[in-house]
Amino acid sequence: DSGVTQTPKHLITATGQRVTLRCSPRSGDLSVYWYQQSLDQGLQFLIHYYNGEERAKGNILERFSAQQFPDLHSELNLSSLELGDSALYFCASSPSAPGELFFGEGSRLTVL
Amino acid sequence: AQSVAQPEDQVNVAEGNPLTVKCTYSVSGNPYLFWYVQYPNRGLQFLLKYITGDNLVKGSYGFEAEFNKSQTSFHLKKPSALVSDSALYFCAVRDNTGGFKTIFGAGTRLFVKA
Repeated sequence: DSGVTQTPKHLITATGQRVTLRCSPRSGDLSVYWYQQSLDQGLQFLIHYYNGEERAKGNILERFSAQQFPDLHSELNLSSLELGDSALYFCASSPSAPGELFFGEGSRLTVL
Repeated sequence: AQSVAQPEDQVNVAEGNPLTVKCTYSVSGNPYLFWYVQYPNRGLQFLLKYITGDNLVKGSYGFEAEFNKSQTSFHLKKPSALVSDSALYFCAVRDNTGGFKTIFGAGTRLFVKA
């Protein structure tokens, strides 16, 4: 158990809908990262938050947004969903740079 | 821009034989390098990292990795493979110039045959 909690574990929804994925980092970790893992794209970095502030952005679509709250949990919002958004979404936390990442078990999103 | 390459999609080894999973990187400045393992339907787990110091890094489950600056490589090794080592392995490099995003290679699937 990495100590990073992600909910929901599985989510099935329809195209055009909006979903919210939630992540609770390890106790004391200030950094939260979001990644998308799909079969053809590998593990793609989406966004990094540190103590509530956005620090780095990767290949995150405009339809996607994220935030980190004062209690350090983070949410990834995916809107106007398309079939191609079906993937595993991972959250990871880190105590500091250049430390390793601790990953949650992921949220598997299926868009029908 | 930083990048990581894992040239092999799959590596097959027999149990008891040594294994190597290759990784090369491109990064500005000093590299922070990592290896992670992913088992089916699980999140990634940290194996080992190189930040500075000794070029041979030892990690979890008997794995080690050798940092080679001249060849910009960070290959993962294990002297004697186990069937239970079969998994997906990711090499990663961390941006140390700000933002601290970690970029992952495409992954290498390791099959260890009994």
